[in-house]
Parts: sequence; C-alpha cells; structure tokens
Amino acid sequence: EPEVTQTPSHQVTQMGQEVILRCVPISNHLYFYWYRQILGQKVEFLVSFYNNEISEKSEIFDDQFSVERPDGSNFTLKIRSTKLEDSAMYFCASSEWEQGADEQYFGPGTRLTVT
Amino acid sequence: AQSVAQPEDQVNVAEGNPLTVKCTYSVSGNPYLFWYVQYPNRGLQFLLKYITGDNLVKGSYGFEAEFNKSQTSFHLKKPSALVSDSALYFCAVRDILSGFQKLVFGTGTRLLVSP
Repeated sequence: EPEVTQTPSHQVTQMGQEVILRCVPISNHLYFYWYRQILGQKVEFLVSFYNNEISEKSEIFDDQFSVERPDGSNFTLKIRSTKLEDSAMYFCASSEWEQGADEQYFGPGTRLTVT
Repeated sequence: AQSVAQPEDQVNVAEGNPLTVKCTYSVSGNPYLFWYVQYPNRGLQFLLKYITGDNLVKGSYGFEAEFNKSQTSFHLKKPSALVSDSALYFCAVRDILSGFQKLVFGTGTRLLVSP
C-alpha cells in the first residue's frame, strides 16, 4: 500500500540554524500538508500546498517557514532560523483530490529538537 | 472557527468489552469528520470519515462512528475491544463552508485495553 515517507526521522539542531524537513507524498496525490505536534499537545495545521503554491496557512506559519516542491516527488518544509519553541514532531500529509471529502494520509513524522 | 473537543484524556476498557471514545465538534456549516489513530512512534493512521448520508460509518479494524447532528457529536465505537487497539485516538473536523482543506484536531484520547 502506498504511503507517505519522511526524512529524517529525528533532527537535532542548534537555535538559529536552518533545517529542511523532507517528505515524499503518495504519488498520485495533489494536495500536500504540513502539521506539527508539540510534545503532549494536539496536532496543529501549518500549511497546505496545491498546484505549486500555498493554498492555506496558519498563524504559526510565519516568515521563518517556507515550503517547496523541488521536483516531482519531494515536498519540503524549511525553517530558516530555528527557535527552541519549534521543537516538535512535524507530520507531512497528502490527499488525492482538492475535494474536502478526501482523507489525508500522514507520514511517520520527523522529530525536530532545537537546542 | 472550527473546533473539536475530546473530553476524555484516557479511556480504560477490558478486552472484549465495547468501547466508546467521545468527540464533539463546532463548525460554521456542515462538517466533514474524521478519526485517526496514532501508535507509538508512528504517524496518524486514517480510521474512518463521515461526509454525508448514513449517520453510522464503518472503518478500519472493526471501528465505527456515529454522527449526531443535533448533539454535534461523532463518537468512535467498537463492539469488542482488543489489547492491540491501545493507542492515541484523534478526532478531526474540516469545515466545508470555509472552503479550506485543513484538518482541526482534538487533543486526543488515549485508549488502554487491558487483557
């Protein structure tokens, strides 16, 4: 069964450094998403991406964040200058169509630790 | 703005007994509702969804959920719990009226099934 994959599984970085989290969505999916889950808290939406542009973003997704689909398979989240509060599990997700009824399929996550 | 409440942090049930994990929601218009399960160190796995039609929806691993519009609830149920059902369960909602794709999650309910 096709699945969303994410690399790395765990990333440790120092405050102020740039990080890039990578995702490979399911191949025939058109919508891509990033969510994050701070330890012990709920899963929060960051951004959605369709047709090579951001379709929606949350207040969390400020100028420090960016997303890109650099080729036909990868979808990346970049944090330009990490802060301690960026420490969280970051989940990538994808869905097949733009219709709201489609479920989103989540990857296993990247645990980001900012020291 | 849409929101989801999962009033129980944890639900304990004995193997073989029925289980219910509660979820209530708030949206402007009609909701799309989803249940996801998260096992340790894994991503979120889709269980089932309500879009329209029959209020009782069936999903993976014998789970089902009942949509109740008047009570704005979408409780997850299973007739006979298994120890392997022990995990973290998240209810999520998408507001059709908003036109957006993002899922809004509840805080999660930990299900513990004892042998």
